[in-house]
Amino acid sequence: DVKVTQSSRYLVKRTGEKVFLECVQDMDHENMFWYRQDPGLGLRLIYFSYDVKMKEKGDIPEGYSVSREKKERFSLILESASTNQTSMYLCASSPWGGETQYFGPGTRLLVL
Amino acid sequence: AQSVTQLDSHVSVSEGTPVLLRCNYSSSYSPSLFWYVQHPNKGLQLLLKYTSAATLVKGINGFEAEFKKSETSFHLTKPSAHMSDAAEYFCVVSERNPGGYNKLIFGAGTRLAVHP
Repeated sequence: DVKVTQSSRYLVKRTGEKVFLECVQDMDHENMFWYRQDPGLGLRLIYFSYDVKMKEKGDIPEGYSVSREKKERFSLILESASTNQTSMYLCASSPWGGETQYFGPGTRLLVL
Repeated sequence: AQSVTQLDSHVSVSEGTPVLLRCNYSSSYSPSLFWYVQHPNKGLQLLLKYTSAATLVKGINGFEAEFKKSETSFHLTKPSAHMSDAAEYFCVVSERNPGGYNKLIFGAGTRLAVHP
């Protein structure tokens, strides 16, 4: 069965802190994605990766960076968290050339 | 560029009555279209997918959607709502990328409430 896991379900951080969100998939997928979800806006793509050490900016990359050192793991980094980064963060993966993405349960981040 | 418009932000139905969630898309070519569902505090789950085969697509939990090219629509329906259908539903179009990977473009979502 397909599985994408995220390291935390809920996270509370202070403004200016460095924040790491981790995502792991066990399906040997090449592509991995980070989205943020806000009410009324749907999901917006932050970054994606199509291979180890490869990354591409999505639609809203400002204030974020990513790391993919191993195929199964994709990390989202908030270098200096700000209150406008309070959101739900969703990770997804898909095989190379595949259109269907498989999602993790999400991390709800609150920045105070 | 592709885009998706979900015509209703909230839909409320009674248990046992039909469900209709409306979606219009914009695409310069024949698109791949999806419906995903998100139950409270859960990740997104694929309900169904259209990829230019049959225009009527059947999904999980009794849902189906019909692709209508002339109307650029991909509405989601279910004949009889169940309490467990209460969730947020996202209509999604796939954007092909010359690099060989696909990006998903999400609608804003429709929250479905089901009343006893």
